[in-house]
Amino acid sequence: DADVTQTPRNRITKTGKRIMLECSQTKGHDRMYWYRQDPGLGLRLIYYSFDVKDINKGEISDGYSVSRQAQAKFSLSLESAIPNQTALYFCATSDIGLGRSTDTQYFGPGTRLTVL
Amino acid sequence: QQPVQSPQAVILREGEDAVINCSSSKALYSVHWYRQKHGEAPVFLMILLKGGEQKGHEKISASFNEKKQQSSLYLTASQLSYSGTYFCGTDSGGYQKVTFGTGTKLQVIP
Repeated sequence: DADVTQTPRNRITKTGKRIMLECSQTKGHDRMYWYRQDPGLGLRLIYYSFDVKDINKGEISDGYSVSRQAQAKFSLSLESAIPNQTALYFCATSDIGLGRSTDTQYFGPGTRLTVL
Repeated sequence: QQPVQSPQAVILREGEDAVINCSSSKALYSVHWYRQKHGEAPVFLMILLKGGEQKGHEKISASFNEKKQQSSLYLTASQLSYSGTYFCGTDSGGYQKVTFGTGTKLQVIP
């Protein structure tokens, strides 16, 4: 089974609809992240959480909200979807950043979201 | 602010070498390198911590110049499997809040 899972994998929705993307992990990591990927723009951080009670905005948080329901679950919501939120969304997890060479981020398979 | 990667794209023949550069305007704690195949999730290659280290992974290695806030990824004797988009990610605080560059698309042809 995959360590980081995302649901749904693909979603088409209409402008103004509320949508939730879910991420679950079995790696036991405290840190979780949401990124969006657009062609030519790389991966941009939306929100990140260092533990259940610690949630922080990333570079492009406007129009998004998140919920950390448990150590293993981190959800991203679009309250009122708009077409320029059409993108590939990735969830990632990492262990505590203690400067070890094993501190890497593990990415889920991605959710392709289309807003019409 | 996103780190700057160069080149944006490169085409290699099998067996050729390539260098991908990553430059930041901020002091760096670490640099991460990932490779992403089309339609797939990014996959970790290596992390370099401040201290100017150089690391290797088979025929892929990287260096990190802390003073210049730059890192380079070296791909030697390229294989078809090396094709993909390479991203560097920079961490300025040591807290795993990584900012990714826009990527370098690498294509290896026979």
